[in-house]
Amino acid sequence: QSALTQPASVSGSPGQSITISCTGTNSDVGNYNYVSWYQQHPGQAPKLMISDVSKRPSGVSNRFSGSKSGNTASLTISGLQAEDEADYYCCSYAGSTTFYVFGTGTAVTVL
Amino acid sequence: QVTLRESGPALVEPTQTLTLTCTCSGFSLTTSGMCVNWIRQPPGKALEWLARIDWDEDKFYSASLKTRLTISKDTSKNQVVLTMTNMEHVDTATYYCARMDSSGHYYFDYWGQGMLVTVSS
Repeated sequence: QSALTQPASVSGSPGQSITISCTGTNSDVGNYNYVSWYQQHPGQAPKLMISDVSKRPSGVSNRFSGSKSGNTASLTISGLQAEDEADYYCCSYAGSTTFYVFGTGTAVTVL
Repeated sequence: QVTLRESGPALVEPTQTLTLTCTCSGFSLTTSGMCVNWIRQPPGKALEWLARIDWDEDKFYSASLKTRLTISKDTSKNQVVLTMTNMEHVDTATYYCARMDSSGHYYFDYWGQGMLVTVSS
């Protein structure tokens, strides 16, 4: 099972919106509404930002939103802030043989 | 307050077996739906799911590592143990344990701080 494909890096200025894509197949992203997104600052553990494609856990800023179309999921960060600079990983459930597959990761830079 | 904490050796030699322990608090490993997963991340690389154990003792493994992994739990200590045999240099990574509520959910809501394991002679 190959990793989900994400852009290596995305950048934006403070206040702007950016979108990170996560492309899989019809065996994972396209077949299940179980895409989650994680934020990881250097030296820290990942933090859940979005679950079930578009659900935001309690305590996560409403500047973060998720969506999915076909085999591609997306994470949008609006009103970009310096604290958003981190690595972001998507993850999808992929059935009872593969279980979970992560994305290749995207480094977000706030210019 | 839900917390998970990984512990184990920071250094293992090639061919040795790695044993990592995840000590959980704030929830019970026997509560219906509760699962604990192991996930690793080589330095500078992406996350990789390894294994999962459920409240009812069901166990699931990464297909590519299945022959080398064993996951188990000690409910009296609320701990989950992962063993990985025949360690190689490429297994150098930070190993995380992460909680999941499998009652219709497939995401990792709480993570440990991670344990860096280096494979070297």
